Amino acid sequence: GENVEQHPSTLSVQEGDSAVIKCTYSDSASNYFPWYKQELGKRPQLIIDIRSNVGEKKDQRIAVTLNKTAKHFSLHITETQPEDSAVYFCAADAGGTSYGKLTFGQGTILTVHP
Amino acid sequence: GAGVSQSPSNKVTEKGKDVELRCDPISGHTALYWYRQRLGQGLEFLIYFQGNSAPDKSGLPSDRFSAERTGESVSTLTIQRTQQEDSAVYLCASSLTPSSNQPQHFGDGTRLSIL
Repeated sequence: GENVEQHPSTLSVQEGDSAVIKCTYSDSASNYFPWYKQELGKRPQLIIDIRSNVGEKKDQRIAVTLNKTAKHFSLHITETQPEDSAVYFCAADAGGTSYGKLTFGQGTILTVHP
Repeated sequence: GAGVSQSPSNKVTEKGKDVELRCDPISGHTALYWYRQRLGQGLEFLIYFQGNSAPDKSGLPSDRFSAERTGESVSTLTIQRTQQEDSAVYLCASSLTPSSNQPQHFGDGTRLSIL
């Protein structure tokens, strides 16, 4: 089955700096890669996703890049703000299935210091 | 409804008791997923529903876990004879259709604590 590894497990940055979180996956048939943000005690919220037919997608301060050959994808947050502090999860769908089953990484605790 | 709703939000029970967790998906969403999140961990897939059928139950940890869905709406996850290792947050998600083209929207989860 799919295996998703996420690094780093914790990330501390100063406000205004950039943050990068990286994930690798094992199933070459995976083609959907969402990123979720989870604030303490709250539900995971989809912040951006990318499909295998594109290499990069951007939404304001957030961008995701995908390298299908190397089987890794990354989340980039620019001009970080304290409200970006949360746990971020990457995920990959189960390649070869059609119903969107997701395998998640272990999460990255991002802390943005004012 | 406006979003995925789960109840109860918190459940504390004694080891050996049965528990039932409820999920109300977004109205019209045909796909429903259950995940488990242990403290400080990522989300583990448990089971997926398409309509009222569960084509993939591969993530259920043991035969003490079962789930059903009725009316292509509400789903319940039942854990029998609970054990301490069942303590976790149980999250439900729904999507418009069972496809990677449709994003999954999560509920707030049920925090289950087994004493």
